[in-house]
Formats: sequence, C-alpha cells, structure tokens
Amino acid sequence: EIVMTQSPATLSVSPGERATLSCRASQNFSSNLAWYQHKPGQAPRLLIYGASTRATGISARFSGSGSGTEFTLTISSLQSEDFAVYYCQQYNNWPRTFGQGTKVEIK
Amino acid sequence: EVQLVQSGAEVRKPGESLKISCQGSGYSFTNYWIGWVRQMPGKGLEWMGIIYPGDSDTRYSPSFQGQVTISADKSISTAYVQWSSLKASDTAMYYCARGSGWWDYWGQGTLVAVSS
Repeated sequence: EIVMTQSPATLSVSPGERATLSCRASQNFSSNLAWYQHKPGQAPRLLIYGASTRATGISARFSGSGSGTEFTLTISSLQSEDFAVYYCQQYNNWPRTFGQGTKVEIK
Repeated sequence: EVQLVQSGAEVRKPGESLKISCQGSGYSFTNYWIGWVRQMPGKGLEWMGIIYPGDSDTRYSPSFQGQVTISADKSISTAYVQWSSLKASDTAMYYCARGSGWWDYWGQGTLVAVSS
C-alpha cells in the first residue's frame, strides 16, 4: 500500500502568517490526492482534491500543489478558525491511505 | 441537502458484537461509495474500507480485513460496519464518508467504547 508521510508533525504559526504543510508518498502517482481539515468534536472537512482543486465553499487562502510523490498544502494567511489537524489522503491505489496528520497550532 | 447520519455512541464489553450504521439522504445512495474511517483516542485517521451500495462491491484495508465487516442495505440507504468480537483496542471514533476517492460528505461520527 502507499504510505503517506506528513511533515512537520506540529506547526506553530502566528495568525496572519503563511503555513506550508508537506505530504510525501512512498510511490509515485499523478494528482489523486486530497487534503482534509479536522477539528476536535467535528467530522473532517474536505479542503482539496485532485491535489489542487478546492472543494465547494473552501476559502481561497487554502491552496494545494504537487504531483508524483511530493504534495503541499498552503494556508496563505492563517485565521483563528484554521487551527486544526490537517491530513493528506491518496486515492490512487487501494487501499486509500491517510498521512499521520499535521497539527497547526497558535504560536 | 446531502447528509450522512450515523448511529449513536455505543458501550460494549470485550467479546461482544456490534453493528453501527450510516444512513445517507439527499442523493442517490446506490451511486456513491461509502467508506469508513477509524480515529483511535489521540491518534490520526485510518482508512478502514469502502462499499458500493449499488452492487455491494467492498474493499478493505489489509489492517482491517477480517477484523470488521462492511455492508449496506440500499433499500434503506444505510451502510454498516460490524464486529463479531470486540476488543478494547476497537475503542475509537468511527466516521462514514461518501466517495471512492476523495470524501466530500461525512457523518458526524460514532463513538465506540469497549471496556470490561
């Protein structure tokens, strides 16, 4: 199965700053990658699919890029509601797999 | 409006069986895959498996193959995951979600607690 590795595990960012989250795949694939935001007590929320397409209703401050084995989620200017855990997920192969998550916390 | 509504929290003892559910509405249930995700306390999301209610095609993660059974009843637009013999390590939040690739709609989660 494809192993997804996210870095860093925790990212401390001040409100208004940019956050860059990385996701690396153990096998090469094109763009079958999604990003989710997960807050305590809530269901995960789809942010990005196809590596770079924002889901419906997602703010333009979220952007995704990458292909092959290296993918990035960028949050351009962190708002208070953006502090959460973020997961990447590949859907190129069965089984689908998640990264272990990056926690974005307030600096 | 698309909605996935999961069954309520469960408390069971080790060795007991359990079946939790996820009912879809607001879309054609038989045309979309439904998957299940586990989140153990303090841990990340784990992809368990997925079912296509239209024909019951089911895929499992190797980590969950043989540990759970995923099923669906398209007559009532409901997907299930069941355990025949729970372990304490099955204590977790379980989410259902719609889609075969990315998951655009999610259930609210079902908390399963297994303790003697």
